Amino acid sequence: QSVLTQPPSVSGAPGQRVTISCTGSSSNIGAGYDVHWYQQLPGTAPKLLIYGNSNRPSGVPDRFSGSKSGTSASLAITGLQAEDEADYYCQSYDSSLSGSGFGGGTKLTVL
Amino acid sequence: EVQLVESGGGLVQPGGSLRLSCAASGFTFSSYSMNWVRQAPGKGLEWVSYISSSSSTIYYADSVKGRFTISRDNAKNSLYLQMNSLRDEDTAVYYCARDLDLGSGSYYDYWGQGTLVTVSS
Repeated sequence: QSVLTQPPSVSGAPGQRVTISCTGSSSNIGAGYDVHWYQQLPGTAPKLLIYGNSNRPSGVPDRFSGSKSGTSASLAITGLQAEDEADYYCQSYDSSLSGSGFGGGTKLTVL
Repeated sequence: EVQLVESGGGLVQPGGSLRLSCAASGFTFSSYSMNWVRQAPGKGLEWVSYISSSSSTIYYADSVKGRFTISRDNAKNSLYLQMNSLRDEDTAVYYCARDLDLGSGSYYDYWGQGTLVTVSS
């Protein structure tokens, strides 16, 4: 049982915009802890995509953006490309775990 | 270039033990906290354990507390995970991940390629 809730799947056509939600609680996102996002391409290790709610590491295209409000966060991907097809995970510190909690992951399919 | 290379995975019987290693290079290992994160086959990510740069602070997920021990050797630029009393549900790819914290919770900026641990009779 993940402490952060994500939709199992989303899809979109090339060039479209999709969003992935991440819903938490008062012990994680709602407590003011930052949300971070990871992209996991098939058969590879996760890669940091967004940190500190809305910051992109060097090398991550500006097609990827993050936001946070209240007990939720969102990852937006604009101008969808075939290579964006991957699993996406949100993550935040959770005081009830004394450690990190991840969302269950969202599989993005580019139609 | 930052590199994290895990090793030590393999097949082990339930109740058995295994020690994972993570060799770090390309950065000042002794300045960073580190973590182990695992992923069961076809499942999502699960944080396992955290160790601060000086080993003074250590945390574990409830699912492994009392069975797993995280440690590090800064002189050898290495992170370890001693896993005892292994269960079927510990079967997963284990990743080591470098920790960063802006002040509002850790995130993981570099990950290793992972090492597979299979617990089965």
